[in-house]
Amino acid sequence: DAGITQSPRHKVTETGTPVTLRCHQTENHRYMYWYRQDPGHGLRLIHYSYGVKDTDKGEVSDGYSVSRSKTEDFLLTLESATSSQTSVYFCAISDRGEQYFGPGTRLTVT
Amino acid sequence: QKEVEQNSGPLSVPEGAIASLNCTYSDRGSQSFFWYRQYSGKSPELIMFIYSNGDKEDGRFTAQLNKASQYVSLLIRDSQPSDSATYLCAAYSGYSTLTFGKGTMLLVSP
Repeated sequence: DAGITQSPRHKVTETGTPVTLRCHQTENHRYMYWYRQDPGHGLRLIHYSYGVKDTDKGEVSDGYSVSRSKTEDFLLTLESATSSQTSVYFCAISDRGEQYFGPGTRLTVT
Repeated sequence: QKEVEQNSGPLSVPEGAIASLNCTYSDRGSQSFFWYRQYSGKSPELIMFIYSNGDKEDGRFTAQLNKASQYVSLLIRDSQPSDSATYLCAAYSGYSTLTFGKGTMLLVSP
């Protein structure tokens, strides 16, 4: 997975609780991304980062926030999880255009 | 809204045949295109990317790009059961982001 890890790999949480997912890379790539993947919707971009402390919104950013304090780490936070945020979350990294994906986190909000 | 369209399939081909996967995109300004393979329960894996009109070959895979028709395709020669997966097409959307299609499921029967 191109030196990308995600943690946790699986999580079950209750509606209304905050959740933070972590993406860690060892490739020193500039760009990092968070996607969610749902049946019938494909991969949708949540947020992305183009450098330390530099982030921007993607197509489905409502209810999510991100932070990047170090090149290697990109955190995705669900401030107050809802059932509609049950999904598989993928982190990706990029340096020149093509993106490489982490193994994913399966999140279930009950 | 930038869109990438793929037939969801499944596309069924016998072992040894050529599988042809197609993709159209709406943003005429897109300059580069990517094909990913995703096995069930796994993360997307980059197969190929193409920037120029014409064909690009890598082993059993050939990517084809026709910018005038806004059409990208992936040919898999000598298809194997291990090629059975969902294939995602993505177009560069600007700001170092990609827009993904929903994917085409390929089934290769022995």
